[in-house]
Amino acid sequence: KNEVEQSPQNLTAQEGEFITINCSYSVGISALHWLQQHPGGGIVSLFMLSSGKKKHGRLIATINIQEKHSSLHITASHPRDSAVYICAVSMNNDMRFGAGTRLTVKP
Amino acid sequence: DAGVIQSPRHEVTEMGQEVTLRCKPISGHNSLFWYRQTMMRGLELLIYFNNNVPIDDSGMPEDRFSAKMPNASFSTLKIQPSEPRDSAVYFCASSLAGGDYGYTFGSGTRLTVV
Repeated sequence: KNEVEQSPQNLTAQEGEFITINCSYSVGISALHWLQQHPGGGIVSLFMLSSGKKKHGRLIATINIQEKHSSLHITASHPRDSAVYICAVSMNNDMRFGAGTRLTVKP
Repeated sequence: DAGVIQSPRHEVTEMGQEVTLRCKPISGHNSLFWYRQTMMRGLELLIYFNNNVPIDDSGMPEDRFSAKMPNASFSTLKIQPSEPRDSAVYFCASSLAGGDYGYTFGSGTRLTVV
């Protein structure tokens, strides 16, 4: 079993829909990261959080440390949000990655 | 700041050749990370430097891989000799350790070993 599990693996949405991507982990962590990888391959760090909730524009990330679970929400989704979203956890000096969720937002 | 700069963007080399990948972190960041991404294994952390010192290289696949950070503004990842299974995208990222900061990734180097 992977230490970091994401769901769903693939997600297709219509423009404007509210999107949720989930991440569960099985190890003790110091922080959880949400990354965005565009079709061109570049990786952007969206959030790093260790508790509570963070918001950047239309993106919201939450984490429940007790339940070892995090969610990434996208409000009013847009085709430019189409990308692979990767959950990663850091612990000590190591980092473990989820397999990613491929999001396609159709106009 | 131009962000994390990696070079080259693409590298094609023959099996057995030495390959050197380069990374310039964001000025002021004191942590630097090398990752490898393949279709089969996804993203993997290879090695992590803090203040130019390698902290954990347990992710380095084998002795053919080595990484150095001679100063705060430059790091290299070397593969010698290269093998076809080393073909992957190699990312470098930097961050300011000890604070609530995310990571900044470079654009990656796509390595193909034929």
